[in-house]
Amino acid sequence: EVHLVESGGGLVQPGRSLRLSCAASGFTFDDYAMHWVRQAPGKGLEWVSGISWNSGRIGYADSVKGRFIISRDNAKNSLYLQMNSLRPEDTALYYCAKDNTPEGGAPLFDYWGQGTLVTVSS
Amino acid sequence: SYVLTQPPSVSVAPGKTARITCGGNNIGIKSVHWYQQKPGQAPVLVIYYDSDRPSGIPERFSGSNSGNTATLTISRVEAGDEADYYCQVWHSSSDHVVFGGGTKLTVL
Repeated sequence: EVHLVESGGGLVQPGRSLRLSCAASGFTFDDYAMHWVRQAPGKGLEWVSGISWNSGRIGYADSVKGRFIISRDNAKNSLYLQMNSLRPEDTALYYCAKDNTPEGGAPLFDYWGQGTLVTVSS
Repeated sequence: SYVLTQPPSVSVAPGKTARITCGGNNIGIKSVHWYQQKPGQAPVLVIYYDSDRPSGIPERFSGSNSGNTATLTISRVEAGDEADYYCQVWHSSSDHVVFGGGTKLTVL
């Protein structure tokens, strides 16, 4: 059974950094692209970033490009999101989502974690 | 950027058919995926590649896509289908994932 468990969320001041992690199990991690999708309180889904199986293809939403860095460690079955220069509008529940393809192009998200909450406020 | 437009809400009586639309420019040439999100829960994939159903999703859920509109159809609606539904595509020109704004399905 596929399990995705996010961690690392919390309350952080504007301008500071935070690193999210996603521990994956129940599937061959390095066969699939992975993504981060966020949801602001009471709002819809917003794709944040995606990374291919071998980290060769990486993409970011315009809203986070230049501030966030996605990475993965296939030896540890883990996905990461380094979030820098955080803004109040980054406040959201951050989901880790598994792609059903290796490359991450034209993705669809067949499994999701339960999310980790990031609150950016002074 | 590419925009997907969904109605904010759809209401349907139990046992009837609910249709949730997702509008986008020439969306018919894209692959559309649909997610169900119940309150306090993570999204769940219910339809992929326009009309395919993941294992475990009831046959009552179906999808279509043509022209400028994709549609998620839920037949014989049950109280347990009450949720937010999101459509999603890949916009190759920008290399970005795009979600619709979501539709809240209310079962009367």
